[in-house]
Amino acid sequence: NAGVMQNPRHLVRRRGQEARLRCSPMKGHSHVYWYRQLPEEGLKFMVYLQKENIIDESGMPKERFSAEFPKEGPSILRIQQVVRGDSAAYFCASSPPQGRGGTDTQYFGPGTRLTVL
Amino acid sequence: DQQVKQNSPSLSVQEGRISILNCDYTNSMFDYFLWYKKYPAEGPTFLISISSIKDKNEDGRFTVFLNKSAKHLSLHIVPSQPGDSAVYFCAASDNDMRFGAGTRLTVKP
Repeated sequence: NAGVMQNPRHLVRRRGQEARLRCSPMKGHSHVYWYRQLPEEGLKFMVYLQKENIIDESGMPKERFSAEFPKEGPSILRIQQVVRGDSAAYFCASSPPQGRGGTDTQYFGPGTRLTVL
Repeated sequence: DQQVKQNSPSLSVQEGRISILNCDYTNSMFDYFLWYKKYPAEGPTFLISISSIKDKNEDGRFTVFLNKSAKHLSLHIVPSQPGDSAVYFCAASDNDMRFGAGTRLTVKP
């Protein structure tokens, strides 16, 4: 059973470009979470999704950031018109469908390191 | 608004001794607590958890203690090993999970 997959592992973008980060949850998991880790800081919650639904996006910046988890395919975190401050490691985690979702043990992917030039 | 705080950014311990990592939280609605361990260039991995109905949970060398009245939990690692050197994140949840900033543990041989 493969773990949580994230790609790309490293992504370089110039200011103003778009960044798309992909996350494939563990098999059988229907809850996906995105976190951002800024340099010298801990993990910051961004968004919690289930298939085709955004459950909690209280940690998402109001502009330029969006996330989706379609019925088929990976979850996508999209950052439009990237700025240097978006440079960070973005981690995806997944958890199984039983339980309360946000309280389940989460299994993390290896992260995508975004660098904005 | 930091609901989960790890006030020590780093900790250095000699191999074989006890490592104690601390975590404080402010939200009394949190009822489930976890510790994650993170190596460089990897995602966090689950280590141990505790429900708010307990005050202690033990798994091998790792023990988590919960003091609800003080809103404080700690992770004890004994004996510490060099392979334990990593960043440790404390997490707390009610319906959402919130992480602390992490404590970098270095275990010296």
